[in-house]
Amino acid sequence: DAMVIQNPRYQVTQFGKPVTLSCSQTLNHNVMYWYQQKSSQAPKLLFHYYDKDFNNEADTPDNFQSRRPNTSFCFLDIRSPGLGDAAMYLCATSRTGGSGANVLTFGAGSRLTVL
Amino acid sequence: GQNIDQPTEMTATEGAIVQINCTYQTSGFNGLFWYQQHAGEAPTFLSYNVLDGLEEKGRFSSFLSRSKGYSYLLLKELQMKDSASYLCAVMDSNYQLIWGAGTKLIIKP
Repeated sequence: DAMVIQNPRYQVTQFGKPVTLSCSQTLNHNVMYWYQQKSSQAPKLLFHYYDKDFNNEADTPDNFQSRRPNTSFCFLDIRSPGLGDAAMYLCATSRTGGSGANVLTFGAGSRLTVL
Repeated sequence: GQNIDQPTEMTATEGAIVQINCTYQTSGFNGLFWYQQHAGEAPTFLSYNVLDGLEEKGRFSSFLSRSKGYSYLLLKELQMKDSASYLCAVMDSNYQLIWGAGTKLIIKP
């Protein structure tokens, strides 16, 4: 089945220890997103890629970086996690144009705990 | 600024009908989405409205009035598995999604 897969599902790290979260998709969607979601809050967009074009939200901290080495994969790097970075990180994909355009398909999420 | 408002929490009874409202103020409009999110899980797509009127999908319907900046999600024949948060999101003129904080729906037997 075509899908969006995130790894790991659960990540525990220590304060300041770098973390990398991965996302892969088999939907052949051209747009990929990273969202941060804290409990009972709206998802907050960190980055998105429109094909190879990288778009960084203005209020995304420098502590967060992203890479998209090819169409299918995307990574979120948190260079020095702080306690405030504990959250669910959601990867999503969409395509532009055609039936179902702009509908986001989410991965299951990576829940980050910072000790 | 851009804003999406929806109630924080609602309670309904199994088998009943519930309507979750969403009002929005955005820079332009390119469609409104409803997503369902169970606790600890990712959001899943429910419905999309870009023209005024009602879209029906089984037990779920979504309504849009662009002139009023208003939408609602109607859930019929509620089941316990419908207990979840329901997120309203609007795509603005730049094709950016503006998200509401979600409405937590609690279903009681």
